[in-house]
Amino acid sequence: EPEVTQTPSHQVTQMGQEVILRCVPISNHLYFYWYRQILGQKVEFLVSFYNNEISEKSEIFDDQFSVERPDGSNFTLKIRSTKLEDSAMYFCASRDKGQPYGYTFGSGTRLTVV
Amino acid sequence: AQSVTQLGSHVSVSEGALVLLRCNYSSSVPPYLFWYVQYPNQGLQLLLKYTTGATLVKGINGFEAEFKKSETSFHLTKPSAHMSDAAEYFCAVGAGNNRKLIWGLGTSLAVNP
Repeated sequence: EPEVTQTPSHQVTQMGQEVILRCVPISNHLYFYWYRQILGQKVEFLVSFYNNEISEKSEIFDDQFSVERPDGSNFTLKIRSTKLEDSAMYFCASRDKGQPYGYTFGSGTRLTVV
Repeated sequence: AQSVTQLGSHVSVSEGALVLLRCNYSSSVPPYLFWYVQYPNQGLQLLLKYTTGATLVKGINGFEAEFKKSETSFHLTKPSAHMSDAAEYFCAVGAGNNRKLIWGLGTSLAVNP
């Protein structure tokens, strides 16, 4: 079964540092998403990406965040200057055009900002 | 705007007992509804989904959910709990042209021997 792969599984970074979370979506999928889950809270939508551009972003996704699909296989989430409140589990997901909600989620990256 | 409410942040059942996890939704359009499960230190796994058609939806691991439009509910049930069912369960509704998911707060299910 095809998988969405996220690396690293756990990252610890100092406040103010830049982090890049990496995701390899399923190869024939066209839509890509990032969600996050702060410990003990609900999963929240961050951003959707299609045709090499952001199709929708939430209020959380401010100027500190950016996404990129640099090489046609990876899908990255960058946080420019991390804050303590960015500590969360970040999930990448992808889906095919023919499956409106046929998400496949990665296993997540746990980001800890200290 | 779409929203999801999960009643009960923690549910505890005995092994072999009925599992009932409650989810109510709000949607201005016919909803797409989902239940996901998250085992400790793992990702999000789809249990089942409702899109259109039959209102009783069967999923993996013996779970099922019934879409009740009149009650705006999509409760998750399993006739007999197993120890391996202990996990966090999330209800979600699909929203918008970009097909994002709006999530409930989750229900932590504990199964006691």
